[in-house]
Amino acid sequence: QKEVEQDPGPLSVPEGAIVSLNCTYSNSAFQYFMWYRQYSRKGPELLMYTYSSGNKEDGRFTAQVDKSSKYISLFIRDSQPSDSATYLCAMSRPYNTDKLIFGTGTRLQVFP
Amino acid sequence: DVKVTQSSRYLVKRTGEKVFLECVQDMDHENMFWYRQDPGLGLRLIYFSYDVKMKEKGDIPEGYSVSREKKERFSLILESASTNQTSMYLCATPASNTGELFFGEGSRLTVL
Repeated sequence: QKEVEQDPGPLSVPEGAIVSLNCTYSNSAFQYFMWYRQYSRKGPELLMYTYSSGNKEDGRFTAQVDKSSKYISLFIRDSQPSDSATYLCAMSRPYNTDKLIFGTGTRLQVFP
Repeated sequence: DVKVTQSSRYLVKRTGEKVFLECVQDMDHENMFWYRQDPGLGLRLIYFSYDVKMKEKGDIPEGYSVSREKKERFSLILESASTNQTSMYLCATPASNTGELFFGEGSRLTVL
């Protein structure tokens, strides 16, 4: 079993839709949770960063962490065609924060 | 802004050839990483380095080696390329305080 599971998609939604992207994990030691966005033929870039449980909001993006269920989510409100990309979840343990464990990524397409 | 530069964006090599992938970062970071990214498998850590002339094996080091002669430069070497090394290769360096990874744009290698 992989430490981090992520549905690969693809997920195709109309412009303006609310998008929900999810990851589950098995290691309860994970404390730092991240979402990276990767456009086609580019490297990943950090989108959201959360420590431990709770919610974090940044514009149209909300990251949620539920440590009791070992489940993290990224919500995108009012999705735009420019949000079309692959979204990777990543997580790490305390004192080992640069050793990230990545999900396989979910490909999202937002059509006009 | 952190800049991570991978000089070769697209390479086509033949089986058995020696391949060098170069990565340069401009933020004086001590840590540097090499990942490969494959569909359905996500990002997998090949090698990492915490200092000049220092290297550590990641999760999939077989068939690869690395060189860190200068702090800003981290090279990935395929001594004898094989078709199963066809992949996207990503170099990254973490922020020291958060562990956020800054990625290069990637080097897409095809081995024929």
